[in-house]
Amino acid sequence: KAGVTQTPRYLIKTRGQQVTLSCSPISGHRSVSWYQQTPGQGLQFLFEYFSETQRNKGNFPGRFSGRQFSNSRSEMNVSTLELGDSALYLCASSFPDGSEQFFGPGTRLTVL
Amino acid sequence: ELKVEQNPLFLSMQEGKNYTIYCNYSTTSDRLYWYRQDPGKSLESLFVLLSNGAVKQEGRLMASLDTKARLSTLHITAAVHDLSATYFCAVDIPTGNQFYFGTGTSLTVIP
Repeated sequence: KAGVTQTPRYLIKTRGQQVTLSCSPISGHRSVSWYQQTPGQGLQFLFEYFSETQRNKGNFPGRFSGRQFSNSRSEMNVSTLELGDSALYLCASSFPDGSEQFFGPGTRLTVL
Repeated sequence: ELKVEQNPLFLSMQEGKNYTIYCNYSTTSDRLYWYRQDPGKSLESLFVLLSNGAVKQEGRLMASLDTKARLSTLHITAAVHDLSATYFCAVDIPTGNQFYFGTGTSLTVIP
C-alpha cells in the first residue's frame, strides 16, 4: 500500500514570501499531523487535523496554518517567511485514535 | 509542556558491542514510539510500545517501556555498521496524535 506522499520535496523561497506544502496520507488514515525539523530545535509538532478540523496545535506563530480536505489530504501554509523557517517539514498520517504515525519523505524548505 | 530527554546525544561504538539508549519523559503517557532516521531521509518506525512493561525486539534492537519510571530504553546488541543512524523516541499525549520527540541519539558504528 502506498505510503505518505509530500510535495514538493524541495523548495527555495525568499524572506517575506509565502509557501504551501501538500501531504497525501496513507489510504484509510484520516489523521494528518505536521512537524518541523531543524538542527537547533529538533522535531517539533505543528498541528494535527482530523475530519477537516484542527484538533491539536503546537506552539508556533499564526504565520503557520493548515487545512485538511474531505479526502484527508492536507496542506500547510507559511506566510511572511523568515530565515528561521528553513527546515524539513514532515507530514505523518495515522488512524485518529493516537496509534502509530507514518511519516512522509518531507519537504525541505530553504528561505533565503 | 511534556519534555522528552534522550541520552546520550552522540554514541560511537565498535561493531559487535552492546549499548543502551535512554528516553525519559516528564508526564504520564503509556504510548511511546521509537523511530530511525538516516541522513537526509524521513523517519522510519521501529517500535510501538503501548503499555507498561512492553518489550519488543527486532533483529539487534530491543525496546522496553516502564511507564511508572517514565523511561524507555533501546538496547543494541552486537552492533553492525548498518545500524548507524539517528534514533528518536516520541511520546504521545493522552488526547492522541501529537508526538513529543526526544532530541535524538546519533549512533555511529565503527568497523
